[in-house]
Amino acid sequence: GESVGLHLPTLSVQEGDNSIINCAYSNSASDYFIWYKQESGKGPQFIIDIRSNMDKRQGQRVTVLLNKTVKHLSLQIAATQPGDSAVYFCAEMVRGNQFYFGTGTSLTVIP
Amino acid sequence: EAQVTQNPRYLITVTGKKLTVTCSQNMNHEYMSWYRQDPGLGLRQIYYSMNVEVTDKGDVPEGYKVSRKEKRNFPLILESPSPNQTSLYFCASGFPLHFGNGTRLTVT
Repeated sequence: GESVGLHLPTLSVQEGDNSIINCAYSNSASDYFIWYKQESGKGPQFIIDIRSNMDKRQGQRVTVLLNKTVKHLSLQIAATQPGDSAVYFCAEMVRGNQFYFGTGTSLTVIP
Repeated sequence: EAQVTQNPRYLITVTGKKLTVTCSQNMNHEYMSWYRQDPGLGLRQIYYSMNVEVTDKGDVPEGYKVSRKEKRNFPLILESPSPNQTSLYFCASGFPLHFGNGTRLTVT
């Protein structure tokens, strides 16, 4: 099967600092990638997505970078806030209908 | 409010007793899918549906069934649950995926 991995299971950052969460994927044919945030007791919440024909996409305080050469995806959160504390994971879409997810990085923001 | 609704949120059952977890979406999405989430493994796709009457196996379909008779509903059926199906289940619809709040299933 496909393999999607995150580099670090946990990450702690000071409030106001920038956070970078990384993800590696295995399938060169993946053409769509998504970052999700999951808070305790809730379903995953969409943050930002990017298609394989792009290498960078920005949202509000978040940026996703895609490096297809090394099959690497990253999520950057600017000016991290306590409300950003959650588990973050990436997902890749293969063949237009199947999704594979990373195991997640737990982000803790220290006030 | 646009949402994916799963019921029940919590379910405890015994081995072999058939159960259904319902999923409904109000966003007119054609694509719907089911996932299970287990510690250390991340979300894994069980089944997906591209449209009404069109369903397909995901990565871990064994022991599960689905149906898609209407666009808005996509129930997950466990004909004979076993303890290894104890997990947190999520239904999702659309692109990007919109998730429900999950169903925590325990099979004893």
